[in-house]
Formats: sequence, C-alpha cells, structure tokens
Amino acid sequence: DAKTTQPNSMESNEEEPVHLPCNHSTISGTDYIHWYRQLPSQGPEYVIHGLTSNVNNRMASLAIAEDRKSSTLILHRATLRDAAVYYCSRMDSSYKLIFGSGTRLLVRP
Amino acid sequence: DTGVSQNPRHKITKRGQNVTFRCDPISEHNRLYWYRQTLGQGPEFLTDFQNEAQLEKSRLLSDRFSAERPKGSFSTLEIQRTEQGDSAMYLCASSLGWPGASSNYGYTFGSGTRLTVV
Repeated sequence: DAKTTQPNSMESNEEEPVHLPCNHSTISGTDYIHWYRQLPSQGPEYVIHGLTSNVNNRMASLAIAEDRKSSTLILHRATLRDAAVYYCSRMDSSYKLIFGSGTRLLVRP
Repeated sequence: DTGVSQNPRHKITKRGQNVTFRCDPISEHNRLYWYRQTLGQGPEFLTDFQNEAQLEKSRLLSDRFSAERPKGSFSTLEIQRTEQGDSAMYLCASSLGWPGASSNYGYTFGSGTRLTVV
C-alpha cells in the first residue's frame, strides 16, 4: 500500500498560520485524503478530509492540489494546544486508512 | 456516548503469555478497525470489521493474532504466545461506512492499549 510522505517536523509561532504539506503522488482517483493529529499517550483525532475540492471546518482547512498528488493542511492561527503529530493519510475504497509517518508540529509561544 | 473505549490502557506481560484487549466502539458505528503503532511511526492497519463480519486481515496479523466482534458490538484482539516484537500501542477505531457510499466518514480512535512484553 502506497503511503503518504510528510516532513518529519515543523515549527511555528503561536497565533501564526501553519501549512503542513503532504505528498501522495500514487493516490488513486477514489481515495479520500484524511488528516489526523495525535497527542502523546492518546489515539489519533480526526481533523479533516476531502476528495478533490478544498474543505474547511472549525479546526482547519484542507487544500488539495488539482492533480491530487499533494495536499496541505492549514491551521489558521496556531495555539500551543495544536502542538501534536499530524498524520496525512489516504482512505481507500474499503474504508481502510493508510497512514504515513507524520509531522511533529512544535508551536513556540 | 463517551467515544471509543479500550481496556486495559496498559498491559505488561511475560514473553510467551497470551493477552486479550477489548474495544467498545461508538454504538451506532458499524465499522471497527484495529491498528498497531510503534514509537515514532504512524498507525499500521491490522484488521477491520463490518458489523460482526471480519473483512480484511493485514499480513502483520500473524497466526498468533485473532480478532472477533461478536454480535457486531465490542471487539477483542487476542495475541497468543507473545513475543518482544509485539510490544506496541494497539489502537481501536470505529466509523460509519457502507460499500459503495458516495462519501465516507472519519474514524474515532480510542486511547489505545500499550503492550509491553518482557
């Protein structure tokens, strides 16, 4: 199963926007792109998902490239509580999520 | 509903012993998934259920692993003759989903069971 690829870590200042990139160049046309985040000693938490169009919810925005080979999770104003590991994943047609190794986001006060 | 519940939270066992983990999903969710996560890695798929039917088993799920979801409610994951390489966080998740659905839904994960084999 082809996995997504992300930078190992990123840093941001509090109250600034954060753009977390993800490469999924081998994604199939019917696979959804999902983002989750995980705090220490907790299970992953759903953030957002999309197929082709950009998506917004109360937590974040998801920008999907027109060719669907990459996407970007956007946190509009990072807070200290947003410090976590962010996983870009793809959901195949059998509803199975395939995770990459994630990006550790550090937020500086 | 308090979300997905996993028990125990932590389990330390001696090599060669059998262990069983339990997962209680969100009651209206028909899909249930088991994942394994080792330090510094993303979760890896083990197996999934649609109601009580087990759908797919990863090649990570050796013959020592078995999962059940009787009556389509809670699920158990058993590991027989544990090995040190089984030490990991075992995550359970649930979701709604139907084959052929035009949309899909996110997973709700539990907090996991951390297994340490000594």
